[in-house]
Amino acid sequence: DAGVTQSPTHLIKTRGQQVTLRCSPKSGHDTVSWYQQALGQGPQFIFQYYEEEERQRGNFPDRFSGHQFPNYSSELNVNALLLGDSALYLCASSPDSSSEQYFGPGTRLTVT
Amino acid sequence: AQSVTQLGSHVSVSEGALVLLRCNYSSSVPPYLFWYVQYPNQGLQLLLKYTSAATLVKGINGFEAEFKKSETSFHLTKPSAHMSDAAEYFCAVSESSGNTPLVFGKGTRLSVIA
Repeated sequence: DAGVTQSPTHLIKTRGQQVTLRCSPKSGHDTVSWYQQALGQGPQFIFQYYEEEERQRGNFPDRFSGHQFPNYSSELNVNALLLGDSALYLCASSPDSSSEQYFGPGTRLTVT
Repeated sequence: AQSVTQLGSHVSVSEGALVLLRCNYSSSVPPYLFWYVQYPNQGLQLLLKYTSAATLVKGINGFEAEFKKSETSFHLTKPSAHMSDAAEYFCAVSESSGNTPLVFGKGTRLSVIA
């Protein structure tokens, strides 16, 4: 059984560009959450998707948006990239009723 | 609002020595508490979780943690450190209502000296 997978592994973008990150949840999981982990910091919650809708959102600007597909996979989109968006982006999946989240390996985004 | 404070951004222990990583939390509702480990260039792996059952929680790799409500603490311990325990450790809190966002501390880097 594959765990949570994310693509790409690494990404380098220029300021002002747009980026899309992808996540496939663990089999049987219908809820996907995204976190941003800046260097030397703990992960910060961006948003959570369930039944193809954004269910909860953290303190991130509207430049950060997402989507969940009928197969429960998810995308994170960031527009108008800033240098401060450079971070490890983590996807976590869980069954809806569970408190336990399983994390993927992350996508390392570098904005130059 | 919930928050987590991890005391000590870096802890160094000798191989075979006791590991103690400190975590204090703040929560206005009954919390769920978690410890995650992160190895270099990898995602987060769950070590253990407290979800209002037994206050002493045993996890993987010989780690355990004790929930102390009076002290709002959830410290992580391991009796004997191994070289492979060197990693970043994160304490996290969430509301005890299922599938709520995790609020993480800033992490503690554990070094193990041979």
